[in-house]
Amino acid sequence: NAGVTQTPKFRILKIGQSMTLQCTQDMNHNYMYWYRQDPGMGLKLIYYSVGAGITDKGEVPNGYNVSRSTTEDFPLRLELAAPSQTSVYFCASSYTSGDSNQPQHFGDGTRLSIL
Amino acid sequence: GQNIDQPTEMTATEGAIVQINCTYQTSGFNGLFWYQQHAGEAPTFLSYNVLDGLEEKGRFSSFLSRSKGYSYLLLKELQMKDSASYLCAVRARGSTLGRLYFGRGTQLTVWP
Repeated sequence: NAGVTQTPKFRILKIGQSMTLQCTQDMNHNYMYWYRQDPGMGLKLIYYSVGAGITDKGEVPNGYNVSRSTTEDFPLRLELAAPSQTSVYFCASSYTSGDSNQPQHFGDGTRLSIL
Repeated sequence: GQNIDQPTEMTATEGAIVQINCTYQTSGFNGLFWYQQHAGEAPTFLSYNVLDGLEEKGRFSSFLSRSKGYSYLLLKELQMKDSASYLCAVRARGSTLGRLYFGRGTQLTVWP
């Protein structure tokens, strides 16, 4: 069972370039999330989705975009890369939310450097 | 808003017991999660508390006091592989998307 799969694992971008971080899950989870994790800091929510076709902003959405055309896939787009976007990006998914005890399951992360 | 505090670093020796504390302030509370994260890896789920009291899972236990806004993760019979960062995450009431607010993590180092 693959769980949550992120690609690529590592990437170096130049300032101003664009790229898409891929995330796919095979657990049929309806909720999906993108976080960034900076050294010594907690996970910060960038965007989330409650189902195909529905997305919304988290705490730190500026400079990012997302789409959710299928239940399985939730790509994160950086349009104009900036040094402040150097971080480790984690995608996560969960079966449900609200009062559920179901945890979020995380992918292995994408380590992104903007130079 | 949400405010979650946990110590930055802790150290302990193999075979010992360690307690990692987490205090939180939220606009409403609807569950607390503990995750383990080894360096360079993804967070993995350890435990969940929504009612007051102790939840035990093998060598790991987690405690919650909602009135005090306080939780702890207790690790017994420490092993070298327990060296990792431990993340406390709170779900606020009214958070229909299951959104979690994470603390900065406590880096635990286990010495032989």
